[in-house]
Amino acid sequence: DAGVIQSPRHEVTEMGQEVTLRCKPISGHNSLFWYRQTMMRGLELLIYFNNNVPIDDSGMPEDRFSAKMPNASFSTLKIQPSEPRDSAVYFCASSPRTGWIYEQYFGPGTRLTVT
Amino acid sequence: GQQVMQIPQYQHVQEGEDFTTYCNSSTTLSNIQWYKQRPGGHPVFLIQLVKSGEVKKQKRLTFQFGEAKKNSSLHITATQTTDVGTYFCAGPSSNTGKLIFGQGTTLQVKP
Repeated sequence: DAGVIQSPRHEVTEMGQEVTLRCKPISGHNSLFWYRQTMMRGLELLIYFNNNVPIDDSGMPEDRFSAKMPNASFSTLKIQPSEPRDSAVYFCASSPRTGWIYEQYFGPGTRLTVT
Repeated sequence: GQQVMQIPQYQHVQEGEDFTTYCNSSTTLSNIQWYKQRPGGHPVFLIQLVKSGEVKKQKRLTFQFGEAKKNSSLHITATQTTDVGTYFCAGPSSNTGKLIFGQGTTLQVKP
């Protein structure tokens, strides 16, 4: 199995630009999670999808952040406009079962730098 | 809100020494998960514990879930340089079910 695939792996952009991060979950997994990791705040859950439907987006920092999952094999996280404080590693994870109590499989992450 | 705390934050050991990280929750957990993140890598699922007092082993790694299901530990026997990384525990929130990650324990192993 290919595992969770994320693109791009690195993104450097200027403040104010739109950034789109992409994720392909493991085939057959029906739960998808977007996380953000920084030294200061650790690993933070941004949003959780189950069967392509957003279940919990309470971790999305503000309206500049949006996430979609148009089908079972693709999700995007968009930041518009980006700000320097958005610099972080963004991970996508998928889980083979519904709910929080099951193991999650993380992708390699996208390292975002906003200058 | 519910918190999952890990200690220590950092640990430097000589290769061959043992290592233990502790995870404590402010509330009872239905289960606890452990992940490992290598430097520059992504979290990788190691194990899940569900039962009170449960002990599971993976080679040199021993995972334990407390009797009250509010704490857990990971013990590594005879560390190797391949054990370097950050170890996270995570448990579901009693209110929302959302998985809450501890801040992690970063292990450095000197050869």
